[in-house]
Amino acid sequence: EPEVTQTPSHQVTQMGQEVILRCVPISNHLYFYWYRQILGQKVEFLVSFYNNEISEKSEIFDDQFSVERPDGSNFTLKIRSTKLEDSAMYFCASSALGLYEQYFGPGTRLTVT
Amino acid sequence: RKEVEQDPGPFNVPEGATVAFNCTYSNSASQSFFWYRQDCRKEPKLLMSVYSSGNEDGRFTAQLNRASQYISLLIRDSKLSDSATYLCVVDPGAGSYQLTFGKGTKLSVIP
Repeated sequence: EPEVTQTPSHQVTQMGQEVILRCVPISNHLYFYWYRQILGQKVEFLVSFYNNEISEKSEIFDDQFSVERPDGSNFTLKIRSTKLEDSAMYFCASSALGLYEQYFGPGTRLTVT
Repeated sequence: RKEVEQDPGPFNVPEGATVAFNCTYSNSASQSFFWYRQDCRKEPKLLMSVYSSGNEDGRFTAQLNRASQYISLLIRDSKLSDSATYLCVVDPGAGSYQLTFGKGTKLSVIP
């Protein structure tokens, strides 16, 4: 069964450093998403991406964040200058079409020290 | 602010029991509704989509009441493997594809 994959599974970084989280969505899916979940809290939407551009973003997705699809398979989330409050689980998701079911990757646990 | 509210839980039930989870959503424009399950420190996994007429998948039955903005999930004959947090998820409508998650209800099925 096709699945979304994410690397790394755990990333530890110092405050102010840049991190890139990587995702490989399901191969025939067209919509890609990033969500985050701070420990003990609910899953929150960050950004959606379609046709090589951002289609929606939340208030959380400020200028420190960016997304890119550098090739035909990878989808990345970059945080330019990490803050302590960026510590969370980051989930990538993909869907075949916009309102279809979204399938989540296993997540990257980001720890900012 | 558009929210999804769920029973706080936790629900502790014996194996074989029937358990029901409820969820209300505040955005009347929402078009798509889902139940996901999430195991501890894992990703949300799609359990089922929820359709207007209600739908069933094995031991799981989901119902949607658009007038009351209410969604339910019924699990029959609970198994130990059903122990997880159940997340009620809706889209905000108006052509938006972002998902809004509830905080989830934790279920523990006890032998």
